[in-house]
This record gives sequence, C-alpha cells and structure tokens, in this order.
Amino acid sequence: SYELTQAPSVSVSPGQTARITCSGDALAKQYAYWYQQKPGQAPVVVIYKDSERPSGIPERFSGSSSGTTVTLIISGVQAEDEADYYCQSADISGTVVFGGGTKLTVL
Amino acid sequence: QLQLQESGPGLVKPSGTLSLTCSVSGGSIRSNTHYWGWIRQPPGKGLEWIGSVYFGGSTFYNPSLKSRVTISVDTSKNQFSLRLSSVTAADTAVYYCARMEGGDAAYYYFGMDVWGQGTTVTVSS
Repeated sequence: SYELTQAPSVSVSPGQTARITCSGDALAKQYAYWYQQKPGQAPVVVIYKDSERPSGIPERFSGSSSGTTVTLIISGVQAEDEADYYCQSADISGTVVFGGGTKLTVL
Repeated sequence: QLQLQESGPGLVKPSGTLSLTCSVSGGSIRSNTHYWGWIRQPPGKGLEWIGSVYFGGSTFYNPSLKSRVTISVDTSKNQFSLRLSSVTAADTAVYYCARMEGGDAAYYYFGMDVWGQGTTVTVSS
C-alpha cells in the first residue's frame, strides 16, 4: 500500500492564507480529497476531486494539484477554521488511504 | 436526509472480537453508486480506513487489517456490520461508519453529511 504525507502542523494569523500540503506517489494518477475535523466531531469533506468544493463549504477553501502533491488552500483564514485537516485518496485496487493529518492553528 | 448510527459494545476484552453495526436511515443501503465503510481514529491520532462493503456483499479491506476484519451487509435491516478479531489495546479508537462514493477507485471518498457520529470502543480487561 502507499502513503500520504502531511506536515503535522501549520499556523497562520487570521486573514492570512493557509496552505496544507499532502504528498504521495498515487496522487499523480488518483484524485485527492480533503476533510476538516473539529474536536469531538466526524470529519467533513471540504474539497473533492482535487479542487471541487461541495455545496455549503465556504469559497475560501480551494484545492490544487501538481504531480504527486496536492494542496488545500484556505484564503482569509478565520478562527473557526482551526481544526485538523486530512487528505485522502485511493489506489487503483480500491485501498483507501488517509494522510496523517495537519493541525491548523489560527494564531 | 440520510443518517448513519453506530451501535455496539463500548468495551471489548483483549483477544476478543469487536462487533459494531451501522444502521442507515433516511435512504436505502441498496445503492448502485455507493459503498459503505468503516473508519477508525485512535485517541489523539489520525483517521484509518478499515474497509468498505457494497450492498451486494463485495468487500475490500485495509491490507494492514485484512486478516482480522469482516464487513458484512444486511439489506433487510438496512444495516452493515464490522467484526474485528483478536483485538488489542491498539484497536482502541472511535469507530465511524460512513457512506463512500463509489464507481472507479479514483472517486472513492466519504461525502458530506453521510457519517455516523462515531462510537468509542475501548479494548481492556
């Protein structure tokens, strides 16, 4: 199986742009998905198919992809965006993999 | 609106078998375009996919857990279940059930508002 690698933590001040990256060989061929998880809650998808935003997710959330790295971008970060963020993908055999997660701290 | 609810014992003894059920309401588990999955999260750690099942019964599992995992579906009850054998303290976690978008593997993900609230399972004597 393969792995998805995320930095453990990212810190930004309110109003700044947060970039959370996820890298893995499979990402060159497979889509990535991003989830936000707040304490005590189930994860919520914020980006699907690398860069699509589900209905109800604020426009400040966006995603990009380049080679084996995908990036979740949160523009104009707000205090309510403080959470853990996980990337996820699946290999061609259907094995689903999550990244280790990145804790976003809003200073 | 689709709702998922996990149920099962919150305490399991080491070497025993963890058994959980996910009840689906507000929609049918007999979906041609979705799978039904289990994900867990040990305390203070990240998410781990356990496996998924199609309403027809086909399954696919996390290779690291495959030897201990069985996921099954009961369409008459609109439920699917998880069994994890030979548990140890490392299996202590919050266990979530969720609906997974299906089709090609490139599109496998767990959509919006289709997760259970999670249930805590502790492995301890």
